[in-house]
Amino acid sequence: KAGVTQTPRYLIKTRGQQVTLSCSPISGHRSVSWYQQTPGQGLQFLFEYFSETQRNKGNFPGRFSGRQFSNSRSEMNVSTLELGDSALYLCASSLANSQETQYFGPGTRLLVL
Amino acid sequence: QKEVEQNSGPLSVPEGAIASLNCTYSDRGSQSFFWYRQYSGKSPELIMSIYSNGDKEDGRFTAQLNKASQYVSLLIRDSQPSDSATYLCAVGSNNNDMRFGAGTRLTVKP
Repeated sequence: KAGVTQTPRYLIKTRGQQVTLSCSPISGHRSVSWYQQTPGQGLQFLFEYFSETQRNKGNFPGRFSGRQFSNSRSEMNVSTLELGDSALYLCASSLANSQETQYFGPGTRLLVL
Repeated sequence: QKEVEQNSGPLSVPEGAIASLNCTYSDRGSQSFFWYRQYSGKSPELIMSIYSNGDKEDGRFTAQLNKASQYVSLLIRDSQPSDSATYLCAVGSNNNDMRFGAGTRLTVKP
């Protein structure tokens, strides 16, 4: 089975721009969670999607949004980028529930200049 | 108090020794517990999951869970230099999400 894939792997943007990241879960997995990882804060939960619905949301500003498509693929969007948004963005998929074993993609490393 | 706490380390052990990694959590209703390993520049990969009190062994790895003490640990026997990584403790919370600790950096010296 193919693992979780994320595109792009690396991204450089400037402040004020917006960015869209994509995640394809493991085949058959319907839950997709997004995390932000920075050296200072560790892994921070952004949101979780299941059946095209946001089921859970972390403590991030509204500039961070996401969606899930009928094939379980998910995208996250960050608008009006700030320097502090520079991070590794990880997507993880699980069968049906974010409390189950999650399998991580390789991540998208975003640098905001 | 953080929801999932780990000693950030670094923890340094000699090759062949036992490495002991500890994690405490605050949500008493948590039912699922995981250990992930993350190499520098890579994404986390699952080592073990544990759901019941007691020990669970998988090769050189043993996870221990004590729900009464809200404590979960990971023992790595016969530590190898390739075990050098950051180990993340994750807890399935009652809020229907996964909470991660900040990670413990382990170095195994040859």
